[in-house]
Amino acid sequence: GENVEQHPSTLSVQEGDSAVIKCTYSDSASNYFPWYKQELGKRPQLIIDIRSNVGEKKDQRIAVTLNKTAKHFSLHITETQPEDSAVYFCAASTGGNNRLAFGKGNQVVVIP
Amino acid sequence: NAGVTQTPKFQVLKTGQSMTLQCAQDMNHEYMSWYRQDPGMGLRLIHYSVGAGITDQGEVPNGYNVSRSTTEDFPLRLLSAAPSQTSVYFCASSYSNKGVYEQYFGPGTRLTVT
Repeated sequence: GENVEQHPSTLSVQEGDSAVIKCTYSDSASNYFPWYKQELGKRPQLIIDIRSNVGEKKDQRIAVTLNKTAKHFSLHITETQPEDSAVYFCAASTGGNNRLAFGKGNQVVVIP
Repeated sequence: NAGVTQTPKFQVLKTGQSMTLQCAQDMNHEYMSWYRQDPGMGLRLIHYSVGAGITDQGEVPNGYNVSRSTTEDFPLRLLSAAPSQTSVYFCASSYSNKGVYEQYFGPGTRLTVT
């Protein structure tokens, strides 16, 4: 099955700076790559996703890039704000079976 | 719409006890899943369902049973709770959007087994 690598670590950034989180995946058939944000004690919430036929997608201050050749994808957060502090999970799916494989998450801390 | 709801929010069990975690969705989503979340482990798939009457195992199914008698409900049963099942459990529902499945999570159930 799909294996998504997202090393558990904490990323500390100064407010206003950019944050980048990277994930790698193993199954070249994967075609859907969502990112979830989870605040402390809350449910994961989808913030952005990308499909394999697209190389980059933006939504205001967040963007996701996909490199299918290298089998990695990244989340970019620009002009970080304190409310961006959370755990971010990447995931991958081959789509046809509705199964998402999640990475282990990155803690992002935005320092005011 | 209430979205995905889960009950209870918190539960403490003794080893060997049984219980059912409830999950319901009112979005008419075809697909439903159960995940467990442990510190440093991300979200791991326990069981999932692609429609009423159809269920399948995920990554960590041992110790858990599911059934899907209706589109709306997808309960998770622990037959004999063990301390290793202490975790936060999330139910999710999804629908097909041009071939991919965008998942919506419930608020979670925090389970402690002593």
